[in-house]
Amino acid sequence: SQQGEEDPQALSIQEGENATMNCSYKTSINNLQWYRQNSGRGLVHLILIRSNEREKHSGRLRVTLDTSKKSSSLLITASRAADTASYFCATAPSGGYQKVTFGIGTKLQVIP
Amino acid sequence: GAVVSQHPSWVICKSGTSVKIECRSLDFQATTMFWYRQFPKQSLMLMATSNEGSKATYEQGVEKDKFLINHASLTLSTLTVTSAHPEDSSFYICSAPLDRTVSRQETQYFGPGTRLLVL
Repeated sequence: SQQGEEDPQALSIQEGENATMNCSYKTSINNLQWYRQNSGRGLVHLILIRSNEREKHSGRLRVTLDTSKKSSSLLITASRAADTASYFCATAPSGGYQKVTFGIGTKLQVIP
Repeated sequence: GAVVSQHPSWVICKSGTSVKIECRSLDFQATTMFWYRQFPKQSLMLMATSNEGSKATYEQGVEKDKFLINHASLTLSTLTVTSAHPEDSSFYICSAPLDRTVSRQETQYFGPGTRLLVL
């Protein structure tokens, strides 16, 4: 079953703008991960945030985690056309840390 | 970083034939690998967990006899779609976690995927 639900499902922005995607989940987690998938390709791991962390940065990416609300957000700053892709959050449950469950994804289009 | 490969990347077959997809961890050992299926414009659905040296664990609703998984070595897992039908057409992706035992935090490394089209 799908644990994470991303919001919005589709997002279109101009190059240079910031893109924010949200993910909600239902059960307790060990960690939450964000992945990017270019059309028809495999997934690329972007960032992992642990359940005891609230915020994490990696380059132009900023991820927040609110375990009380069971939600996470991914912010891409100063977006580029190359950021166009689908973005998925994936949750690893407490106790079963290896088995991740993916959300439905957000399709991001960055217009040059 | 860790690399996972899949072979083939594309396969077209006739209905009723069997198709084998390989997933390899190239520079690390993976006692566990995961197989996902992704339909167009949808998310990844976990099909099964492949365990080296033991039987795979299948998710609810996934037919064990239909999707045979063999994890014969620490770097190779295979998924065989038996008697494939058009509804099996999908994008199949494997992943392997790089286990950091001390912290129990791990990153999944994904293969590039295999697109299967059954005619």
